[in-house]
Amino acid sequence: DTEVTQTPKHLVMGMTNKKSLKCEQHMGHRAMYWYKQKAKKPPELMFVYSYEKLSINESVPSRFSPECPNSSLLNLHLHALQPEDSALYLCASSREAGTDSSYEQYFGPGTRLTVT
Amino acid sequence: GNSVTQMEGPVTLSEEAFLTINCTYTATGYPSLFWYVQYPGEGLQLLLKATKADDKGSNKGFEATYRKETTSFHLEKGSVQVSDSAVYFCALSEDGGSQGNLIFGKGTKLSVKP
Repeated sequence: DTEVTQTPKHLVMGMTNKKSLKCEQHMGHRAMYWYKQKAKKPPELMFVYSYEKLSINESVPSRFSPECPNSSLLNLHLHALQPEDSALYLCASSREAGTDSSYEQYFGPGTRLTVT
Repeated sequence: GNSVTQMEGPVTLSEEAFLTINCTYTATGYPSLFWYVQYPGEGLQLLLKATKADDKGSNKGFEATYRKETTSFHLEKGSVQVSDSAVYFCALSEDGGSQGNLIFGKGTKLSVKP
């Protein structure tokens, strides 16, 4: 099983809402990632979790709050977002992070987020 | 710093044409190189990878060879199909780099016409 699943597939939320994105993998990977992808752009790294601990936060605003409750799950909690936060949010996982550059990342299908 | 440069798109080809998408990189160490493909409305899928100089990655008829002397990792396919229409991203990851961070190129959109 090389699948990373993400829910929901689409999300529309107002600027005052609180919502969460979910990501799950069952490959035994110990590194998980959140990326943000705007239209016609490459993905931009937001967060990296390694062994369930946050290891990288790429200066992401606090209205995005990641959580890794266990080695298979990764959440992204959203609060007080702005319309410019509308994007495709991608989750990825890899066997490890940082120890070997050959570990490829497996991506989920993404959540298409629209902030109104 | 590390970077990846891809040829600008979009690239439009007829079915069965030969495809080349150029990719060059800048890295201080010895990166691994990847090609990812993104079909419309979907996430990224790993297409192929190479982890050291002169390695050739291949998958689904696509190939790319890690050329250290020219710092390149060009993607090629001998005969494209309509189903290959997608955006292709070249990427690198470097040992000891930022926790396995992938550095992506800007992406090249490929459209294949029947």
